[in-house]
Amino acid sequence: AQKVTQAQTEISVVEKEDVTLDCVYETRDTTYYLFWYKQPPSGELVFLIRRNSFDEQNEISGRYSWNFQKSTSSFNFTITASQVVDSAVYFCALSEVGANNLFFGTGTRLTVIP
Amino acid sequence: DAMVIQNPRYQVTQFGKPVTLSCSQTLNHNVMYWYQQKSSQAPKLLFHYYDKDFNNEADTPDNFQSRRPNTSFCFLDIRSPGLGDAAMYLCATSRDPPTVQPQHFGDGTRLSIL
Repeated sequence: AQKVTQAQTEISVVEKEDVTLDCVYETRDTTYYLFWYKQPPSGELVFLIRRNSFDEQNEISGRYSWNFQKSTSSFNFTITASQVVDSAVYFCALSEVGANNLFFGTGTRLTVIP
Repeated sequence: DAMVIQNPRYQVTQFGKPVTLSCSQTLNHNVMYWYQQKSSQAPKLLFHYYDKDFNNEADTPDNFQSRRPNTSFCFLDIRSPGLGDAAMYLCATSRDPPTVQPQHFGDGTRLSIL
C-alpha cells in the first residue's frame, strides 16, 4: 500500500535559519514519482519539484534543495536562509505508474518568524 | 499566462441547496482533477477526467458529480450539500500521463454551508 508520512506537523524558524522538512514514503512499486508542493495562505498548491525513482541525484534550486534516498525511502526538502515568504504548508506526494492519483502526506506547516 | 482558474473563490450555500463550482484552464491539459481539502488536512481526490473519460474514486460520495463539456472547462456539482461538505475544493490539471506529470492547481473555492 502507498503511504506518505510527514511527521513534522508544524515547524517555526527565525528568518535566515535553514530548515529541513522530512518526508518518508512507502510503495511496493519500483517505478514511482515523488513531488513537493507548497500551499501558501492564499490556498493554491504550487508545484516545486518532481523526482522519479530512478534518479537519486540531489537537486538544488536557489535556496531550495532536495535529498532523495531510496535506502531510507525519504525525500527531504531543505530551505536555506529561510524568508517570511516561505511560510506555507508543504506537502510531499507520491504517485505510482498506473495509479490514478497523487498520495499526499498530511503536510508540514512552516512559519518563518521575522 | 496559462493557468487554472476557479470560480468563485468563496461560495456560501444553504444546507441541501445544490451548488456548482467551476474550473477552467488555458494550459490545454487533457487531465482535470477535483480535490476536496478540509481544514489542516491533505487534499483528497474526488474524481478526474482523462480527456472525456470520467474516473470516480471509490469513496467519493454520490452527492458529488462532475461534468466536463470541453477540454477547457470542468464543473463540480454538489447535489445536496451537508455541513460535512464545507471545505476548500481544488481543481488541477496535468498533461498525459497523469501520474507522471506535475499537477497545476487553481486557487481553490472555499465552500461554506449554512
